[in-house]
Parts: sequence; structure tokens; C-alpha cells
Amino acid sequence: SQQGEEDPQALSIQEGENATMNCSYKTSINNLQWYRQNSGRGLVHLILIRSNEREKHSGRLRVTLDTSKKSSSLLITASRAADTASYFCAPGANSKLTFGKGITLSVRP
Amino acid sequence: NAGVTQTPKFQVLKTGQSMTLQCAQDMNHNSMYWYRQDPGMGLRLIYYSASEGTTDKGEVPNGYNVSRLNKREFSLRLESAAPSQTSVYFCASRMGGAIGNQPQHFGDGTRLSIL
Repeated sequence: SQQGEEDPQALSIQEGENATMNCSYKTSINNLQWYRQNSGRGLVHLILIRSNEREKHSGRLRVTLDTSKKSSSLLITASRAADTASYFCAPGANSKLTFGKGITLSVRP
Repeated sequence: NAGVTQTPKFQVLKTGQSMTLQCAQDMNHNSMYWYRQDPGMGLRLIYYSASEGTTDKGEVPNGYNVSRLNKREFSLRLESAAPSQTSVYFCASRMGGAIGNQPQHFGDGTRLSIL
């Protein structure tokens, strides 16, 4: 299985700080995606990075992908209380995603 | 624009009862997916439909059936519910394509409890 494995499982930071979340996977991928889930809601897509890309930015989000190490990281800069949520990485291949167990991010005001 | 709509939002069943979870998307997407989310397990793929008229098993298909009614709708059926199927069920859709370099769009889930 190429299920993503996120690290750490939980992260608590102060508002304004940066949050770094990591993901590892096992097999070849076409892309890697990151999603956010607020309590009681569905997943919301944040960013997709293709296997031939190394870094991508979207607003306060920066994602990197190292296919040689089979790993990715998501950086949220200048965090806000509204960023409190669970974050999932999802390695993608052949039109399917496999989700990890997620990272619980708490941003303290 | 509603996106992905799931019905019902909550349901309680007794063991052995049957039920169909409904999912509809209004984004003209080709691919649709059903997942279940359990505490500490992340999301696991039950079934998916790459395009209208096709369905395939995912990681945990046992105890479930699906129907891709048309391009918009993809239903999940529990023929004889078991307590182990207590979970939150999510439907998702994607534009399509074999490589899959597009995001999935999720509904808000159906919270199902089986007593």
C-alpha cells in the first residue's frame, strides 16, 4: 500500500508561528495531495504537487516533494486560529488516492 | 453551486437492516468515490467509479454494493448492516482521467450508527 503516513500525529502552535507537517509514502506516485478537514465536515483540497515538481506555493501554503526519499512536507506560514483542523496527505496513482491517518493541528490564539 | 451532496446526514440502523446512502455532484465530474472514515484509521476507499457505467472495488468493499445511476449520482448500499459498519461515510468526485492529476471534491459525510 502506498498510504501516506503523516508526522507528527498532533501539533500545537501559537498563532503567527509556522506549522510544518511531513508525509512519507512507499510506492511510485503520479502526484501527492494535501487536504484539510474541519471538525464534522468533509475534506477540502489544499494543494496538489505532481511527481515531476519539487515545490509548489499557494497563498500561505508551501509544499515540497522529494520522490527519491518518497516524502513530502506541508508548511503553513503565519498560522491563524482558523487553521485548526486535521490535515491529510494523499499519494495519488492511477486515479486513486490513499489517505494517511492525518495530523491534528491546533493553533492557539 | 452545491458541489457534492450526501443524504442523509445522520442515520441509525439496527443490525441486519438495509440502507442506501445517496450521493450527487453537480460539477459534471466523471469519477466518483465512496470512503469510510473511522477513528485512528484515516479514510479508506470502499468503491469507486472511474466513469459512468463502471465501478471497481477499493480497499474495503466487503458488505457494500454501489450503483452509478448516471453521471451525477453514485449510491452506496448496505444490504445487511453490521455494527462494524458504524462509521462516517464520505462521497467524493473528480473531473476524471487515468493519471488523476486533479483534486477530489468531498461531501460533508453521512454519520451512520448500527446498533
